[in-house]
Amino acid sequence: ELKVEQNPLFLSMQEGKNYTIYCNYSTTSDRLYWYRQDPGKSLESLFVLLSNGAVKQEGRLMASLDTKARLSTLHITAAVHDLSATYFCAVDMKRYQLIWGAGTKLIIKP
Amino acid sequence: DGGITQSPKYLFRKEGQNVTLSCEQNLNHDAMYWYRQDPGQGLRLIYYSQIVNDFQKGDIAEGYSVSREKKESFPLTVTSAQKNPTAFYLCASSSTTRSSTEAFFGQGTRLTVV
Repeated sequence: ELKVEQNPLFLSMQEGKNYTIYCNYSTTSDRLYWYRQDPGKSLESLFVLLSNGAVKQEGRLMASLDTKARLSTLHITAAVHDLSATYFCAVDMKRYQLIWGAGTKLIIKP
Repeated sequence: DGGITQSPKYLFRKEGQNVTLSCEQNLNHDAMYWYRQDPGQGLRLIYYSQIVNDFQKGDIAEGYSVSREKKESFPLTVTSAQKNPTAFYLCASSSTTRSSTEAFFGQGTRLTVV
């Protein structure tokens, strides 16, 4: 079965703290994407990871991909309130059809 | 500017009525997708198309129909057979080249049954 699992599904944290969101997937793939969704809005692309060992950073967010472990992580450093959103990972495991994780709702309290 | 345009932003449907959601892209992408999102939930695939005049059912196609007569356009019709259509509908497109299948999204259409 083609499956993408994110955890945690809900995360409430204080500003200034670090945390990691995990994305596990069930079948070989070397293409994984992270998206952000603000309440009531559409999805915005954050990171495109296209090979084993790929690491991308943008501000306080860093994403990595380990294709052997079938695992991607989204690390938040020194969180700020503006990063509050729902984060989705998606994996290209089926020809041109992305399989989506359930999303991680992140709340960052001042 | 290149992108995906969905319209309308808000749509109200009466019981028993068919409605059509528009999705247009000028990114020259071959693949287009329709997703449904319920409050607090993830994305569920309704239909997708990888080429003009061809489309495939996704996980929740019942009560929906699509067409792909032009590369740029992929309209979704929510039929009266869809008993619970109130949701946020997202259209996306992507390239089908080996390098990347990153999906780009429109701004969404919020459909409400009245």
